[in-house]
Amino acid sequence: DGGITQSPKYLFRKEGQNVTLSCEQNLNHDAMYWYRQDPGQGLRLIYYSQIVNDFQKGDIAEGYSVSREKKESFPLTVTSAQKNPTAFYLCASSLPPLDTQYFGPGTRLTVL
Amino acid sequence: SQKIEQNSEALNIQEGKTATLTCNYTNYSPAYLQWYRQDPGRGPVFLLLIRENEKEKRKERLKVTFDTTLKQSLFHITASQPADSATYLCALDGVLDNDMRFGAGTRLTVKP
Repeated sequence: DGGITQSPKYLFRKEGQNVTLSCEQNLNHDAMYWYRQDPGQGLRLIYYSQIVNDFQKGDIAEGYSVSREKKESFPLTVTSAQKNPTAFYLCASSLPPLDTQYFGPGTRLTVL
Repeated sequence: SQKIEQNSEALNIQEGKTATLTCNYTNYSPAYLQWYRQDPGRGPVFLLLIRENEKEKRKERLKVTFDTTLKQSLFHITASQPADSATYLCALDGVLDNDMRFGAGTRLTVKP
């Protein structure tokens, strides 16, 4: 069963704590992305990676960090520097040349 | 600045009617335009892609038009069903790496 998995589905953390969201894909896609979705807003790009060991900042990278040590995995860390981390986080992958995105089920992060 | 507007945050229609959703954009020259469906609490799912040199694309009950002069795409669902109720997102994709951007979406409700 090919696809993208994100875990956990729901995550609660105290303010000031770092937290890491998992994203794994078995689609053999080169490119992976992290988006943030807030009510009434479009998906906003946090980070993306076109290839292993390389990643680039998106539109709202401040307060977040990523790594891409394996093709299948692209974890996102929400740091304490992120001012408003409560949101729905979506991971996606794509296969060039088209950027059609295949999304995971999302992780809803709530910071208390 | 680049802007993507999906007119109508919400659209309510009667079962069997045709739903028409609008996506307008400014300060953008997309090579492709894509439409996604998103159910509550889940990741978006790709529906259709239309290229800048295509006027219309169809897939079963779905039809997309793309007018680069008006800077607008229309997304139609014919013979709508309650199961079509979801949020529909448009996404514009240029020719550069990672310049794909999403609209905020239109929430469609089809009433029986």
